[in-house]
Amino acid sequence: GQNIDQPTEMTATEGAIVQINCTYQTSGFNGLFWYQQHAGEAPTFLSYNVLDGLEEKGRFSSFLSRSKGYSYLLLKELQMKDSASYLCAVRDRDRGSTLGRLYFGRGTQLTVWP
Amino acid sequence: KAGVTQTPRYLIKTRGQQVTLSCSPISGHRSVSWYQQTPGQGLQFLFEYFSETQRNKGNFPGRFSGRQFSNSRSEMNVSTLELGDSALYLCASSLAAGEYAEQFFGPGTRLTVL
Repeated sequence: GQNIDQPTEMTATEGAIVQINCTYQTSGFNGLFWYQQHAGEAPTFLSYNVLDGLEEKGRFSSFLSRSKGYSYLLLKELQMKDSASYLCAVRDRDRGSTLGRLYFGRGTQLTVWP
Repeated sequence: KAGVTQTPRYLIKTRGQQVTLSCSPISGHRSVSWYQQTPGQGLQFLFEYFSETQRNKGNFPGRFSGRQFSNSRSEMNVSTLELGDSALYLCASSLAAGEYAEQFFGPGTRLTVL
């Protein structure tokens, strides 16, 4: 099976930096995704990592270490609108197929205070 | 470009009934995945379709089934509904079925089983 762990809740203040960690154990690895989900809305794509290292995209960056089964999402210059659930998802490698299944963590609820 | 659409948005059924949910992917997208989201379990993968073929299936009982049509629209069916099937059912589409497949989620169908 697959095991993806991330903290349940985090809080931070406007303008600050927050790092949301994700650890995973999968039978194979075919990429890691981060999604943002506001209450009552569908998840929206934030980032994708398949090689080790840091991917930067504006205020958001995502890091991956495949050997450690570890990723983090870094959010800078936090804004109130960043209050949302952040989902870590790992695509495994399915034997006999080029596709793998996408497994989601339970999400980290981030609250940004003024 | 229109996003992923799902119908109906809300549905109330009773135990033992069956239900069919529909998903229309973004125009040009050929891959459709279905997820079940509940507060207790988070987002769980149901199945993934590409070119009318089921490419992957999650760990759900046989009461959950799906299909994809030649125009890439997809349906999922749940038979003999149970109370525990109450959830938000999300559909996501992607351009292709490759390793990097950014998924775009629809608004979901909120199913309540009484």
